[in-house]
Amino acid sequence: EVQLVESGGGLVQPGGSLRLSCAASGFTFSSYWMSWVRQAPGKGLEWVADIKQDGSERHYVDSAKGRFTISRDNAKNSLYLQMNSLRAGDTAVFYCARATESCFRGDCGPDAFDVWGQGTMVTVSS
Amino acid sequence: DIVMTQTPLSLSVTPGQPASISCKSSQSLLHSDRKTYLYWYLQKPGQPPQLLIYAVSNRFSGVSDRFSGSGSGTDFTLKISRVEAEDVGVYYCMQSTQFPITFGQGTRLDIK
Repeated sequence: EVQLVESGGGLVQPGGSLRLSCAASGFTFSSYWMSWVRQAPGKGLEWVADIKQDGSERHYVDSAKGRFTISRDNAKNSLYLQMNSLRAGDTAVFYCARATESCFRGDCGPDAFDVWGQGTMVTVSS
Repeated sequence: DIVMTQTPLSLSVTPGQPASISCKSSQSLLHSDRKTYLYWYLQKPGQPPQLLIYAVSNRFSGVSDRFSGSGSGTDFTLKISRVEAEDVGVYYCMQSTQFPITFGQGTRLDIK
């Protein structure tokens, strides 16, 4: 069964750090782009970051640049999100998602988010 | 950033009746590779989002043929031919033509 399981969420004080993990199983993890998408309580979806299969390319939403780092360990079938300088506005459920790939003339990028984890809650509060 | 605007933000539908959700983007979603990276997701209560439609009009594996997507450029539509109770939730459009990837605000569908 294709599965993504997030962990690492919790309560952290403003200015603190947290590292989220996403364990993948049931598919060839190293063949897919991976993303983090978050959802603040009662709000909509916000894409946070993604990473190419070999980690050579990463993209971030502006609010995450300089504070969050997405990474992966293909040997461990795991995706990570290191979050520093956390703010109250970062409070959200964080989902990891698998992305299919679309390529054109050798230039490839993420396509549909076809598999999602159940999410892990991050609460930033004093 | 490309802004995705969905209308309506909520709709209440009688079972068996059709439903339609509009999604308009602030810029054309037609990529230089001639593909349009527009998707539709449904988030059922208490669950993560699930992919319904990719590349404007392609139903994802296992998705009912009651769902259909259409549109081009900046205007897109998700239609449900006959709403069923299991269709309740929040529908989101999303674009990945250009970074950052952006979502619409969501449209909440409930049953009358």
